Amino acid sequence: NAGVTQTPKFQVLKTGQSMTLQCAQDMNHNSMYWYRQDPGMGLRLIYYSASEGTTDKGEVPNGYNVSRLNKREFSLRLESAAPSQTSVYFCASSETGGEGTNEKLFFGSGTQLSVL
Amino acid sequence: GQSLEQPSEVTAVEGAIVQINCTYQTSGFYGLSWYQQHDGGAPTFLSYNGLDGLEETGRFSSFLSRSDSYGYLLLQELQMKDSASYFCAVNSNYQLIWGAGTKLIIKP
Repeated sequence: NAGVTQTPKFQVLKTGQSMTLQCAQDMNHNSMYWYRQDPGMGLRLIYYSASEGTTDKGEVPNGYNVSRLNKREFSLRLESAAPSQTSVYFCASSETGGEGTNEKLFFGSGTQLSVL
Repeated sequence: GQSLEQPSEVTAVEGAIVQINCTYQTSGFYGLSWYQQHDGGAPTFLSYNGLDGLEETGRFSSFLSRSDSYGYLLLQELQMKDSASYFCAVNSNYQLIWGAGTKLIIKP
């Protein structure tokens, strides 16, 4: 049982290049999330998808787009990468999500992205 | 604004007990979660408190006081493998708001 799988694990981009981070979960979870983690800071939510067919902005959505391709897959796209987007990116999923739920998130192993 | 405060670093001795505090100020509150993250790894879920009181899971316990906007994680019988960063996170309005994390250093 793989859980949450995200690719790639490492990526180096030049300013202005684009790329897509892929994420898939095999736990039949409804909700999926993209976070970024910077040194000395907690995780910050970029976008989330409460269910298949819906996506919503999180705390730091600028410069990113997402696609909930189906129930399993949730991708994150950087259209024109900037040095400020250098970070570790985590994809996560949860069974239900939302207010009042036991918000147990399962995380992928992360993507270390450097933008030069 | 929304914020969670937790100590940046805590040091303890192997076999001892350590408490990591978390205070929060958020626009909505539906529960407090705790996650563990080893260096280079992904966060993993430890516990959740939706109501006031103590939740116990093996060597780890978590406490919540909603009236004080305060919670803590208690780790007992510390082992070297517990060396990691610990994050509190508040479930607020369909999103988790995360603290900056507490690095737990364990000395033999």
